[in-house]
Parts: sequence; C-alpha cells; structure tokens
Amino acid sequence: EAGVAQSPRYKIIEKRQSVAFWCNPISGHATLYWYQQILGQGPKLLIQFQNNGVVDDSQLPKDRFSAERLKGVDSTLKIQPAKLEDSAVYLCASSLMGPGQPEKLFFGSGTQLSVL
Amino acid sequence: AQSVTQPDIHITVSEGASLELRCNYSYGATPYLFWYVQSPGQGLQLLLKYFSGDTLVQGIKGFEAEFKRSQSSFNLRKPSVHWSDAAEYFCALNYGGSQGNLIFGKGTKLSVKP
Repeated sequence: EAGVAQSPRYKIIEKRQSVAFWCNPISGHATLYWYQQILGQGPKLLIQFQNNGVVDDSQLPKDRFSAERLKGVDSTLKIQPAKLEDSAVYLCASSLMGPGQPEKLFFGSGTQLSVL
Repeated sequence: AQSVTQPDIHITVSEGASLELRCNYSYGATPYLFWYVQSPGQGLQLLLKYFSGDTLVQGIKGFEAEFKRSQSSFNLRKPSVHWSDAAEYFCALNYGGSQGNLIFGKGTKLSVKP
C-alpha cells in the first residue's frame, strides 16, 4: 500500500515569509497528525485531525500556524509569518482507527524547513 | 509532569556487538511506551510498544525492550547489531487518547563500526 506522502521535501524561506506543507495520508485513514521535529529533539505533536475535525491543537502556535483537512483526506499546514525558530522537519502521520483495531501510526518522510 | 529522557545522545557499537539504548520516563499512571527508529531522510518506524502484560516486549528487526516500573525505564536491546541498524532511535510515551498523543525523548543516534 502507498505510504503517507508529504511535499515539498525541502523548503527554504526568509523570515516573515509564509509557507505551506501538504500531506496525503494513507487511503482510508481517518486520523491525521502533524508533528514538528527541531534538530536534536524528538517530534512534538502540533495538531490532530479526526476526519475533517480538529481533535487536539493545544500545542499549535495559533498566532502563526494554521492547519486544515478539507474533505477529511489531504491536509495542509501553514506558517505565516515564519520565524527563525520554525526551522524544523514537519512530519505528517496517519492512522486507521476501527473497532477492535489497535491504532498504528504511519509517518511520512517529512518536509525540512529552513528559515533564513 | 510527564516526560521521556534518553540519557545517551550518541552511541557507537561494533557490528555484531550487543546494544542497549536507555529510556527513562515520568508519568503518573501506567504508561504506554514505544520505541521508534528514524533513518536519515525517512519517517519514523515503530519498532515495538508496551501497553500492559509481559514486561519483555519483542519487536521488529530483532529488537526487544524491557519495561521496569521500579526503575521507570524502558530500555531497548538487540543481541547483535547489524550495520543497517545505524539510525536515530526515539523512545516515546503516550499521554492518553489516541496513539499519536506522544511525548518523545530527544533521541539516541546509533553509529555502527565495521
């Protein structure tokens, strides 16, 4: 089966510019997550979607970050305006939650953002 | 507050040698614990997980981990390391709800000498 697809693979922008990342989860996966992984640290959960609704966005810096998942499939994560400290790898993960099924996460390869 | 600590930033082992990566956690209830591996330019792959029951958990690629409540530890082990095991390893704790609600440690980078 196809994995979680993310694009672009790399992005370099200047501070105060805007940027958007795209994620296409595995077909049929209802749950989608965005994580931020700063160099030298483990991933940090930013936001969780269940279908097209937000379940948890408590760690999303809402003054500059936004995310949406229209139609409960693809998702975009946007940063506007970007700051130097936003330089990180942004990982998308999806999972299939069904009755009696343990949830297993599948991660994309990530988008590496450099803010200059 | 819940947290995950991986004391070793970088470990180098010889191919064929045994491996143990340390993980300590802080959590007020019974933890759900995970080990993930990340190769350069790749996403995270689940190696194994502990929910309850047997404290010795077997995973993929010959890895195992032992949950020790008294020591708040969940160390990852492999009896014989292969060059392809070189990667970064993350221990994670689930803090409730979906399995994606994870707190990760800072990771341990494993290098393998020929």
